[in-house]
Amino acid sequence: EAAVTQSPRNKVTVTGGNVTLSCRQTNSHNYMYWYRQDTGHGLRLIHYSYGAGNLQIGDVPDGYKATRTTQEDFFLLLELASPSQTSLYFCASSDRTGSSQNTLYFGAGTRLSVL
Amino acid sequence: GEQVEQRPPHLSVREGDSAIIICTYTDSATAYFSWYKQEAGAGLQLLMSVLSNVDRKEEQGLTVLLNKKDKRLSLNLTAAHPGDSAVYFCAVSARVVGQLTFGRGTRLQVYA
Repeated sequence: EAAVTQSPRNKVTVTGGNVTLSCRQTNSHNYMYWYRQDTGHGLRLIHYSYGAGNLQIGDVPDGYKATRTTQEDFFLLLELASPSQTSLYFCASSDRTGSSQNTLYFGAGTRLSVL
Repeated sequence: GEQVEQRPPHLSVREGDSAIIICTYTDSATAYFSWYKQEAGAGLQLLMSVLSNVDRKEEQGLTVLLNKKDKRLSLNLTAAHPGDSAVYFCAVSARVVGQLTFGRGTRLQVYA
């Protein structure tokens, strides 16, 4: 079973602060994703990647950077955090070439509060 | 792009009753349909998925119905139990393997 681990699980920062959210998957999936989940909006895609060094823009990328350093590791960076970025962030992975095709495997989430 | 509407946003049912969640989508070329469950404090987990050539799929007390004419996808939990209490999301894709668009979620509460 795919394992996706996010850290930290909770984070509090101040407006203008610098935050890095980490995600590691151990199932050799090619695709990795960052979503944010907000009441009334469901899940919205921020960035995704199909391999080390690759980055694709999602639907709500403003204010976020991301970097895929290895097959396993995908980071989300908020360089000047704002209160509007207070949210629950999920990382997910998928193997679009494997038998599970479109199945997303999610981490447990990181709750970020920007004061 | 694809728009997905999910309803109801909240649903409360008695144990043993059925619970029905509906999603409507806009792109008639949508090819992949799925339902995810999110339990408290956890990430989403896939419940079931179907392709556009399937109208009905049943697994372990869950029924997924796809009405392509009306662009409607539904999830029916027959004989719901308290362990089914969670948030449910539909997610669709224009291709068999491609980017997913999620509904806004339905919070289901099953009471004894």
